[in-house]
Amino acid sequence: KAGVTQTPRYLIKTRGQQVTLSCSPISGHRSVSWYQQTPGQGLQFLFEYFSETQRNKGNFPGRFSGRQFSNSRSEMNVSTLELGDSALYLCASSLIAGGRVTGELFFGEGSRLTVL
Amino acid sequence: GEDVEQSLFLSVREGDSSVINCTYTDSSSTYLYWYKQEPGAGLQLLTYIFSNMDMKQDQRLTVLLNKKDKHLSLRIADTQTGDSAIYFCAESKGGGYQKVTFGTGTKLQVIP
Repeated sequence: KAGVTQTPRYLIKTRGQQVTLSCSPISGHRSVSWYQQTPGQGLQFLFEYFSETQRNKGNFPGRFSGRQFSNSRSEMNVSTLELGDSALYLCASSLIAGGRVTGELFFGEGSRLTVL
Repeated sequence: GEDVEQSLFLSVREGDSSVINCTYTDSSSTYLYWYKQEPGAGLQLLTYIFSNMDMKQDQRLTVLLNKKDKHLSLRIADTQTGDSAIYFCAESKGGGYQKVTFGTGTKLQVIP
């Protein structure tokens, strides 16, 4: 069974640009969450999608957005990049069984964004 | 709001036991987890415990939960060099919405 796939793995952008990151969850997983990981702040929750609907959102500015497609693949977008957006962006999928959360998140290897 | 705290660093000798501690603030947390992150990789779930349990053992791993003090610990017996990684404590309320709050992570260094 293929794991969570994130693309691209590495990218470099300059301030003011925008970036789109992609995440393909494990087959059958309908919930996709995004996290930002930085040395100073640790893992910060960005948002979670289920059946193309955003159900939870963390405390990030509106420059951070996402969406989920009907095949459960998800994208996140960051507009007007700032130096502080440099981070590892992790996507995680989970199986929602019978409407209940099983609890386990399956993480991809992340997309490392560097903003110059 | 939810807050999860851990010490940043722990160093142990190979063969010794490691104990990683975590405190959380949300008394309505239903699930408490331990994740492991190796260099250059995403996080991997090691184990989790429901809030109505006090202890869970899985091979070399023992999780202890003190719900009154909101304290969670992970004990790794016979620590090996391959256990060197960052360990994250996390919590969620479960239910129909999947939002997991992670601690800052504890970097475990195993000295041969």
